Amino acid sequence: RKEVEQDPGPFNVPEGATVAFNCTYSNSASQSFFWYRQDCRKEPKLLMSVYSSGNEDGRFTAQLNRASQYISLLIRDSKLSDSATYLCAVNEGDFNKFYFGSGTKLNVKP
Amino acid sequence: GAVVSQHPSRVICKSGTSVKIECRSLDFQATTMFWYRQFPKQSLMLMATSNEGSKATYEQGVEKDKFLINHASLTLSTLTVTSAHPEDSSFYICSARDRHYEQYFGPGTRLTVT
Repeated sequence: RKEVEQDPGPFNVPEGATVAFNCTYSNSASQSFFWYRQDCRKEPKLLMSVYSSGNEDGRFTAQLNRASQYISLLIRDSKLSDSATYLCAVNEGDFNKFYFGSGTKLNVKP
Repeated sequence: GAVVSQHPSRVICKSGTSVKIECRSLDFQATTMFWYRQFPKQSLMLMATSNEGSKATYEQGVEKDKFLINHASLTLSTLTVTSAHPEDSSFYICSARDRHYEQYFGPGTRLTVT
């Protein structure tokens, strides 16, 4: 069983659409959660951390649901430049390990 | 955000040779760095956790004698792929963790073993 799972997509959406991704994790002891963006053949770049209370950064909103063990990323008013693969990452605290999901591919079309 | 560099960005080597990849945190000290590999259209696979001044912790299935990791300082970790085989060809990415537990990735090293 994978530690972190994501729907690989692709999600094909028009510009201006709202799109949401979920990511589930298996270890209930996980402590820190993040969303990364990865463009083709490039390294992942930190998009945002996910806090227990949820957090928002411009058009991006991240939420954590500990009871159901998933995190979500909501993108409003999608731009063409949002096209990328979005990876969720989970840190298992004491064991100091980060586990990444396989990524969800987003294609924003004109 | 924090900056992590990786060198070389691309390397081609012959089977049986060894290749060393460097990972540096440029503007912060990282007691912990991570090494990942990524095959095309697949996610990052954690290979090992590199702790400054101590032995690396390897993930299950990763051969520690083949992938030698050294974390000699708070800003440098190296990964040496020994006796490389064509199946070791992959995208190797390091990351460094800051004091807020956020990870910043290096630009990656594309290794091709011929």
